[in-house]
Amino acid sequence: DVKVTQSSRYLVKRTGEKVFLECVQDMDHENMFWYRQDPGLGLRLIYFSYDVKMKEKGDIPEGYSVSREKKERFSLILESASTNQTSMYLCASSRITVLRTDTQYFGPGTRLTVL
Amino acid sequence: AQTVTQSQPEMSVQEAETVTLSCTYDTSESDYYLFWYKQPPSRQMILVIRQEAYKQQNATENRFSVNFQKAAKSFSLKISDSQLGDAAMYFCAYRASGSARQLTFGSGTQLTVLP
Repeated sequence: DVKVTQSSRYLVKRTGEKVFLECVQDMDHENMFWYRQDPGLGLRLIYFSYDVKMKEKGDIPEGYSVSREKKERFSLILESASTNQTSMYLCASSRITVLRTDTQYFGPGTRLTVL
Repeated sequence: AQTVTQSQPEMSVQEAETVTLSCTYDTSESDYYLFWYKQPPSRQMILVIRQEAYKQQNATENRFSVNFQKAAKSFSLKISDSQLGDAAMYFCAYRASGSARQLTFGSGTQLTVLP
């Protein structure tokens, strides 16, 4: 079974702190994604990566950056955390398939609170 | 830009009954993929069912089936013989064909199963 893990289930940080959220997948997937989930808004894509050191902006990249130095690990960085970044953050991964019906596998999520 | 709309924030169903969750989407593409994901309370999001737009036949996975109406841009999920374990947040998602890898999610429907 595919396993996607995230470094923390719950995280509390202060405004202005630099925050690192880590995601690791164990199935050699090419694609990795970071979403944030807010009530009534569903999941919104922040960034994704389709290869090591490659990244593309999603729908809401402002205030975030990412790093992918190894294929299995994708990090989300909040350079200077703000209260409006309080949210649930979900990581996902998928492999590239010919039929383009690749499933995204999700981690358990990190609930981040910025005070 | 593609949008996905789930107009029912909450639904409830009696155990063993059938329930239908609605999803509509907006796209100018002719080829794309649609998904239903399930997020149980405090558990990881998992894929329930997927549909390729070029296929006229509706997808089915055990008790889960879809009603895909391409012209109407509608993609509803039917859950038959509902079980307590079906209680979850359900998200409808869209992905364009071609090189696109990212999903666009709806806002979700919270399903409660009543014993």
